Amino acid sequence: GESVGLHLPTLSVQEGDNSIINCAYSNSASDYFIWYKQESGKGPQFIIDIRSNMDKRQGQRVTVLLNKTVKHLSLQIAATQPGDSAVYFCAENISDYKLSFGAGTTVTVRA
Amino acid sequence: GAGVSQSPSNKVTEKGKDVELRCDPISGHTALYWYRQSLGQGLEFLIYFQGNSAPDKSGLPSDRFSAERTGGSVSTLTIQRTQQEDSAVYLCASSLLTEAFFGQGTRLTVV
Repeated sequence: GESVGLHLPTLSVQEGDNSIINCAYSNSASDYFIWYKQESGKGPQFIIDIRSNMDKRQGQRVTVLLNKTVKHLSLQIAATQPGDSAVYFCAENISDYKLSFGAGTTVTVRA
Repeated sequence: GAGVSQSPSNKVTEKGKDVELRCDPISGHTALYWYRQSLGQGLEFLIYFQGNSAPDKSGLPSDRFSAERTGGSVSTLTIQRTQQEDSAVYLCASSLLTEAFFGQGTRLTVV
């Protein structure tokens, strides 16, 4: 499944499939980006980050891709699990590490 | 614990009353953020403290909102003459350089 920021704020994905969550950022000067996961009733938790001198970074089951040309960030989750159900936010460093957050995408994993 | 601590976790107040929300950041973190999250919405930036620099207050929605950070550590967000539209979860985060760590938030309900 795939979503694009504000236009598709929800994503439903079958358990075991790969998920792709997209985010468009606003500031071409932003040099640092983070993906956060927020489960119901909890604060956002760090998933993975990437600096602007990279275009790809991999973590455990997650990959972040950065396309600076079109100011686009994506989070790929491999083999999506029920525990991945949450709201996912991208954040960009605007200046002096002040973070600006996107609207968020709600991911629901179907069993 | 070693994480960001916020208190109270829940606060119900009457319209027109003042409230104070507290944030204990991770020890040694120089940056502290306050965000507001309405139900089902993204994170709205309120205020940002970085070291001894003047805080970035550009996100405070009105002059009823103020925040302090004493001794570069604990922060208090004060909302005067609360209104029903102030009802939200108020999230605090701290960081040293890059990744911001969030607390669990304070759920404020104005009745």
